[in-house]
Formats: sequence, structure tokens, C-alpha cells
Amino acid sequence: GQQLNQSPQSMFIQEGEDVSMNCTSSSIFNTWLWYKQDPGEGPVLLIALYKAGELTSNGRLTAQFGITRKDSFLNISASIPSDVGIYFCAGQHSGNTPLVFGKGTRLSVIA
Amino acid sequence: GAVVSQHPSWVICKSGTSVKIECRSLDFQATTMFWYRQFPKQSLMLMATSNEGSKATYEQGVEKDKFLINHASLTLSTLTVTSAHPEDSSFYICSATLAGGPSGELFFGEGSRLTVL
Repeated sequence: GQQLNQSPQSMFIQEGEDVSMNCTSSSIFNTWLWYKQDPGEGPVLLIALYKAGELTSNGRLTAQFGITRKDSFLNISASIPSDVGIYFCAGQHSGNTPLVFGKGTRLSVIA
Repeated sequence: GAVVSQHPSWVICKSGTSVKIECRSLDFQATTMFWYRQFPKQSLMLMATSNEGSKATYEQGVEKDKFLINHASLTLSTLTVTSAHPEDSSFYICSATLAGGPSGELFFGEGSRLTVL
């Protein structure tokens, strides 16, 4: 099935550093979401984006929906050890259609 | 916030047996639930869309007779893996949308890890 192109696949950073990851798609999405998944658990919603160009923050997390509706980035500022996990972007074309997921970015934070 | 609960969290079974996984929306009604499958170090792959009171819609390549989905109420969907084989071992995750809530906001269960011996 269709997937979003998410990069980087993995990141190793020092505690306190800022992190940036992004997703691109060849098709337009109405809604873009960012999830975090801890090992052995289901994904947890971090940020939802609905409007082209929308910039939304959730604590140390900031995400933006691209103007073309084909891309998005997620930034994490001042990383801490509990930020470790896999971050997934997901897009939805319309209504109650299923989400399409990126392959994930595995984040490791070195204390 | 909306809570989705799965049971069991993990299950080990013998090859050839059937396993049922439950997905419940605890504090909201979910007209639509989705079932995903996730292999180690991979992304979530949609298996099927489950609508309350109607037959599930399966993604291409997913055997509907092997992965039986029942969505009998607005708060419960079940996935039954029939005649399980080792290749069915995976992490199964359900999700639900909040009826009338913002489009696209899926709430996920904790996942169920199936190991078939």
C-alpha cells in the first residue's frame, strides 16, 4: 500500500539537542498527524494538522503542514531521554479514510 | 482523552489454533475501527476497516477468511486469527475515530503481540 517517505530512519542525538524529522508524499492529504510509539505499545498522537501551512506546537514539539499539503516536519527542542521512541507521520486523504503511515524515525537520546 | 483498550496484550498459541483479540473504546463510541499489523522495526500496515453493524473492508492481500473481524457494537471490535501459523506472529494494533471528532485523529490501543509456535 501507499506509504509516506519519512526521514531520517534513525537518529542518535545528545540530550539537550534539537531534533528535526520530515515526511513527504506524492499525493495531497487533508490531515497530517504525528505519532510516537514506545516499544511494545500502540502509537500515541502528538500533533494533528488540518490546514496547509499550519504550524502547531505541543510543549517542546512543533509541527508544520506544508503549503502544498504534501509534506510536514516535526521538531523536538531540547531533547530529553524520554523522547526516545519511534516517531511516525501519518496522512489522511479525507473523512473517515484510513491513515497512511510513514516508515518511522527511530530516535535515540544519549544522556 | 479518548481511550482505546486491547486485550490480550500478548498471546502465545500453537500453530493451527485460533486467537481472538478484542478492541474496545472505553469512553466514546466508535463507528469505525481500524486494524493494523506491525512487524518488528517496520511501520503500521492497515489490514482492514471495521464499521459497526456491517462487514469489514479488507486491504488488498489480507485474507478475510483468515482474519475475521466483527464490529458488533459501537464500543467493541474483534479480530480473530483463524488457524494461526508462525508467519502470523506479529503486533496487532487497533484504532478508532471519535464519532464527530476532528477528522483523522485516530486513537490507538496498546497493541496485542501474537506469537504462534
